[in-house]
Amino acid sequence: DVKVTQSSRYLVKRTGEKVFLECVQDMDHENMFWYRQDPGLGLRLIYFSYDVKMKEKGDIPEGYSVSREKKERFSLILESASTNQTSMYLCASSLRTDNNSPLHFGNGTRLTVT
Amino acid sequence: AQKITQTQPGMFVQEKEAVTLDCTYDTSDPSYGLFWYKQPSSGEMIFLIYQGSYDQQNATEGRYSLNFQKARKSANLVISASQLGDSAMYFCAMSPEGNDMRFGAGTRLTVKP
Repeated sequence: DVKVTQSSRYLVKRTGEKVFLECVQDMDHENMFWYRQDPGLGLRLIYFSYDVKMKEKGDIPEGYSVSREKKERFSLILESASTNQTSMYLCASSLRTDNNSPLHFGNGTRLTVT
Repeated sequence: AQKITQTQPGMFVQEKEAVTLDCTYDTSDPSYGLFWYKQPSSGEMIFLIYQGSYDQQNATEGRYSLNFQKARKSANLVISASQLGDSAMYFCAMSPEGNDMRFGAGTRLTVKP
């Protein structure tokens, strides 16, 4: 079974702090994704990556950046955390870059910015 | 850009009955995939079923089936013989060729005993 591991289940940070959310997958998947989940809005795509050192903006990239230095690891960075970034963050990976490859999700990181 | 619409924020169903969760989508891509995921209260996202845009037959996986109507751009999930453990959030999603998947807002299903 694919395992996608997010380093923290809960995180509390202060406004203005730089925040790192880490995600590791163990199945040599090509693609990795970061979503945020908010009630009534579903999952919204922040950034994704098809390969090492490669990144693509999703629908809501403002205020975020990402890093993929190794194939198995995809980090989401909040350069200067703000209260409107309080949310559940979900990392996912998929085997192939085609439209029939399901996403495998981590358990999520619930981030609170105070 | 792709857009996924789930118009039912919440649904109730009696145990052992069938329920349909609605999903419509909008895309100009000729090839795409449609997915349904379940999210129980524990928070994990569980992949349920997949339908390709060129598939002629509706997908089925156990008690789950996907009612795919391409001309209407709808991909409704049908759960037969509902069980208490089916109570969860359900998300419809669409993936273009690049696999950057987009999700709907979700439907919260509650199964009543």
